[in-house]
Amino acid sequence: GQNIDQPTEMTATEGAIVQINCTYQTSGFNGLFWYQQHAGEAPTFLSYNVLDGLEEKGRFSSFLSRSKGYSYLLLKELQMKDSASYLCAVRDSNYQLIWGAGTKLIIKP
Amino acid sequence: GAVVSQHPSWVICKSGTSVKIECRSLDFQATTMFWYRQFPKQSLMLMATSNEGSKATYEQGVEKDKFLINHASLTLSTLTVTSAHPEDSSFYICSARDPDRWTEAFFGQGTRLTVV
Repeated sequence: GQNIDQPTEMTATEGAIVQINCTYQTSGFNGLFWYQQHAGEAPTFLSYNVLDGLEEKGRFSSFLSRSKGYSYLLLKELQMKDSASYLCAVRDSNYQLIWGAGTKLIIKP
Repeated sequence: GAVVSQHPSWVICKSGTSVKIECRSLDFQATTMFWYRQFPKQSLMLMATSNEGSKATYEQGVEKDKFLINHASLTLSTLTVTSAHPEDSSFYICSARDPDRWTEAFFGQGTRLTVV
């Protein structure tokens, strides 16, 4: 079966750095996405990786290792507004998105 | 970026009635739209894939007669929850794929459905 694993909840301090990991086992791979979702709102796109390596976009970076079935989202200079759920999703061979359960990130002052 | 508009944002309906949710791609033509359901503290669950001009493809366990999907144009897909029951109360989200920007899936704002 297809499976996406990520931690349920993480806590970090304002101004610090946090890394959210995601491991996946899917039938085929056509890219990995990270989305941010605030409570009661739809997900918003953060990053996309299809090749191995690090993609940097401002305070957010995303890393992919296809051979290990592993990705992480790195958030720097954390702000209170970063408190949200972070969803990892993999596009499989049918070009459908397989979603992780999301990681709830709690930022403390 | 591409914009997907979903309406209504929230709706409360009586048990046994039907509710229609609209999903529109505002600045691109979406040949494929997706309908998700999300229960509290859970991830998105794909309900069906909607292709313009053809019947939707439903995921296993999703009742096609209860969740009617219509994708009559390249910019509009609708989800109708028929004979709604309290257990249908959930957050429904649509997304659309821009064929010119296939690296992203663009989401509507979501619809909070409460059946009383």
